[in-house]
Amino acid sequence: QQQVKQSPQSLIVQKGGISIINCAYENTAFDYFPWYQQFPGKGPALLIAIRPDVSEKKEGRFTISFNKSAKQFSLHIMDSQPGDSATYFCAASIDYTDKLIFGTGTRLQVFP
Amino acid sequence: DAGITQSPRHKVTETGTPVTLRCHQTENHRYMYWYRQDPGHGLRLIHYSYGVKDTDKGEVSDGYSVSRSKTEDFLLTLESATSSQTSVYFCAISESRGTALAQGHSGANVLTFGAGSRLTVL
Repeated sequence: QQQVKQSPQSLIVQKGGISIINCAYENTAFDYFPWYQQFPGKGPALLIAIRPDVSEKKEGRFTISFNKSAKQFSLHIMDSQPGDSATYFCAASIDYTDKLIFGTGTRLQVFP
Repeated sequence: DAGITQSPRHKVTETGTPVTLRCHQTENHRYMYWYRQDPGHGLRLIHYSYGVKDTDKGEVSDGYSVSRSKTEDFLLTLESATSSQTSVYFCAISESRGTALAQGHSGANVLTFGAGSRLTVL
């Protein structure tokens, strides 16, 4: 049972384009939604995160959009660069616990 | 990967043999986790610990056991390895939500991951 569903599985974007990765969840007890970035041979690292009391959070070229009613959230990477090529994981945390539930990951490739 | 060391980084073993993976942290974080990463499945939680000798199961705990006798060390043991346990294993650490709040953070658990241990079971 996948509590956090992520799509697409892979994404190819040209340099300068917009990369969009989507996630959906069912458990309304989730109250924290981070995105992690993983480069080959490395562990994942926190990229950006959002709480359900806001609909959008922006940090540089990275933006999370959150739709509470649809139980969906997405990562937008503006002006995508070859250095953004990595695997991206969305995740969700259940209220008052310290466990993160991860999506299945999206492999992003940005070509020059 | 500062503050977290996983060992071994690579291991090849045969079916039926016991395997222990070690995670060592120097951050004095309360929480420690073991995840496995597989294509098409993302990161799945195996076991986690919320303090010395306090552990609990994650979503894929069958065939795995853990121990935490010191704050800094979290061991993952495969009592009798099977080919289905071929995977990349990641250790992660985090502060408790309460500690993060007390320090003025958002209160959400930010996981810091190790570099991973690639295990192949033949």
